[in-house]
Amino acid sequence: QKEVEQDPGPLSVPEGAIVSLNCTYSNSAFQYFMWYRQYSRKGPELLMYTYSSGNKEDGRFTAQVDKSSKYISLFIRDSQPSDSATYLCAMRTFNQAGTALIFGKGTTLSVSS
Amino acid sequence: DVKVTQSSRYLVKRTGEKVFLECVQDMDHENMFWYRQDPGLGLRLIYFSYDVKMKEKGDIPEGYSVSREKKERFSLILESASTNQTSMYLCASSSRGTSLGLAKNIQYFGAGTRLSVL
Repeated sequence: QKEVEQDPGPLSVPEGAIVSLNCTYSNSAFQYFMWYRQYSRKGPELLMYTYSSGNKEDGRFTAQVDKSSKYISLFIRDSQPSDSATYLCAMRTFNQAGTALIFGKGTTLSVSS
Repeated sequence: DVKVTQSSRYLVKRTGEKVFLECVQDMDHENMFWYRQDPGLGLRLIYFSYDVKMKEKGDIPEGYSVSREKKERFSLILESASTNQTSMYLCASSSRGTSLGLAKNIQYFGAGTRLSVL
């Protein structure tokens, strides 16, 4: 079983839809959870960052962590064509040596106008 | 703003050539990373460095080496390029942090170098 699983999509939605992106993980020691957004032919950029369980909201974006289920989600409200990108989840443990992040493979999202 | 700069956006090299990919960050970060990204495989860590002249192998170090002579610069070297090294290469940096704060976990990425080996 891979440490982090993420459905690659592609996911296609109309403008204005609510989008749910998800990752599951197997290592219960993961404490820090991140979502990166990557536009075509660009490097990933940090979108959301949460520690341990709970929700975090930033504008149209909400990150949710359910540690009991080992499941994290990113919700996008009122999706826009500019949200079309690949979304990568990433996580790490509290004391993981080398500070390396574990990434999901990414979900490709397309929002049509 | 953190800036991670990769020297080339696109490179075309021939099989057997020695290839250097350069990365520079301007935030005095201790940690620097090299990944490759391939369709269906996601981001895979090649090497990382947590200090000058220090390096650690990642998941796929074979065929690669790295150099970190200065804190701001981390180089990836393909000793003898092969066609299976055609890929998108991404450099990242992060702060080690002086406490258990969250900021040290955030990796900042460069724009990537798309390497084609013919």
